[in-house]
Amino acid sequence: DADVTQTPRNRITKTGKRIMLECSQTKGHDRMYWYRQDPGLGLRLIYYSFDVKDINKGEISDGYSVSRQAQAKFSLSLESAIPNQTALYFCATSDPGSGGTDTQYFGPGTRLTVL
Amino acid sequence: AQSVTQLGSHVSVSEGALVLLRCNYSSSVPPYLFWYVQYPNQGLQLLLKYTTGATLVKGINGFEAEFKKSETSFHLTKPSAHMSDAAEYFCAVSDRRASNFGNEKLTFGTGTRLTIIP
Repeated sequence: DADVTQTPRNRITKTGKRIMLECSQTKGHDRMYWYRQDPGLGLRLIYYSFDVKDINKGEISDGYSVSRQAQAKFSLSLESAIPNQTALYFCATSDPGSGGTDTQYFGPGTRLTVL
Repeated sequence: AQSVTQLGSHVSVSEGALVLLRCNYSSSVPPYLFWYVQYPNQGLQLLLKYTTGATLVKGINGFEAEFKKSETSFHLTKPSAHMSDAAEYFCAVSDRRASNFGNEKLTFGTGTRLTIIP
């Protein structure tokens, strides 16, 4: 079974709808991240959480919110989806290694299309 | 602030030829550097990373990268390309000083899509 799972894998929705993307992990990591990937732009950080009580905005948090329900679960919400939020969304987890060089482990991604 | 520039959004090489993917970074403090690979319809996975010590880093699947501080580069190489290497490759940097305070985040480059020609 995959260590980091994302649901749904694909979603098509309409402008103005509320959407929730879910991420679960079995790696026991405290740190979790949400990224979006757009062609030619690479990955950009939306939100990150270093533990259940710690949530921080990334570089592109406008229009998004998150919830850290438990160590293993980190959800991303689009309160009112708009077409330029069409993208591939990735969840990732990490655990600080020695010297703080934690490797990030990625889920398979959710492809979101907003019409 | 830190940033990463990947030169060439698309690179094509023949099977058996040398693979060279370029990455230059900008960081006000000594960086940690990473290469991640994304196979079609999958998430990213770590190829290799540079933290401290030896500047030539070996990763999975025969890839390696060399940290050159004077050139602010961390280019990825593989001596002989295989068809299974076709994927998108991302260079990333994190702030060593922030990392020491437990506040490490990655900044990714825009990616290089590698195509292998049979």
